[in-house]
Amino acid sequence: ETGVTQTPRHLVMGMTNKKSLKCEQHLGHNAMYWYKQSAKKPLELMFVYNFKEQTENNSVPSRFSPECPNSSHLFLHLHTLQPEDSALYLCASSRPYRDLSTEAFFGQGTRLTVV
Amino acid sequence: SQQGEEDPQALSIQEGENATMNCSYKTSINNLQWYRQNSGRGLVHLILIRSNEREKHSGRLRVTLDTSKKSSSLLITASRAADTASYFCATDTGFQKLVFGTGTRLLVSP
Repeated sequence: ETGVTQTPRHLVMGMTNKKSLKCEQHLGHNAMYWYKQSAKKPLELMFVYNFKEQTENNSVPSRFSPECPNSSHLFLHLHTLQPEDSALYLCASSRPYRDLSTEAFFGQGTRLTVV
Repeated sequence: SQQGEEDPQALSIQEGENATMNCSYKTSINNLQWYRQNSGRGLVHLILIRSNEREKHSGRLRVTLDTSKKSSSLLITASRAADTASYFCATDTGFQKLVFGTGTRLLVSP
């Protein structure tokens, strides 16, 4: 256990559905991240939040909508996805950059399949 | 753009042998990190080496960093079947942007 919990672990959704991925950490971290991992591709950084504020949006399509209500929780709202969005979505957390230690702690991921 | 590239893409060895994986990157970094991922699961941090360090050890892991060549290597000594996983390097270029490579799939046979 890394201290970062993601739910659900698996999700199958149609292209017209709306669903949300949840991430929770109790490590006292103030930075949280969403990554996408597709087959045979490097991990892609999607969003970064610092102290609940979004500090990075890596040109992610608007059908992915993140939400960070507090430093312990991070959501990824999904709507009108495409089959190519099927992937493993990983949440991570770390101490703020000012601590000069950006070791990331990852959740187990949500395996998303868009049909 | 992709920062880290691992080499080889796949590595198959016997238990007890050493495994060496290499990572090359393109821009200046604050630190470089290595992570491990078991099939379809989350990544686990293994070791971090700062840009002003040249070598670091942690248990059976040895990491080197050559900033002049923009490359790093991860050595796993006396490998075990349980070391079977994918290994990724990640470069920290600042502002919490960890950029990962495509990884090396390591298979350790009993």
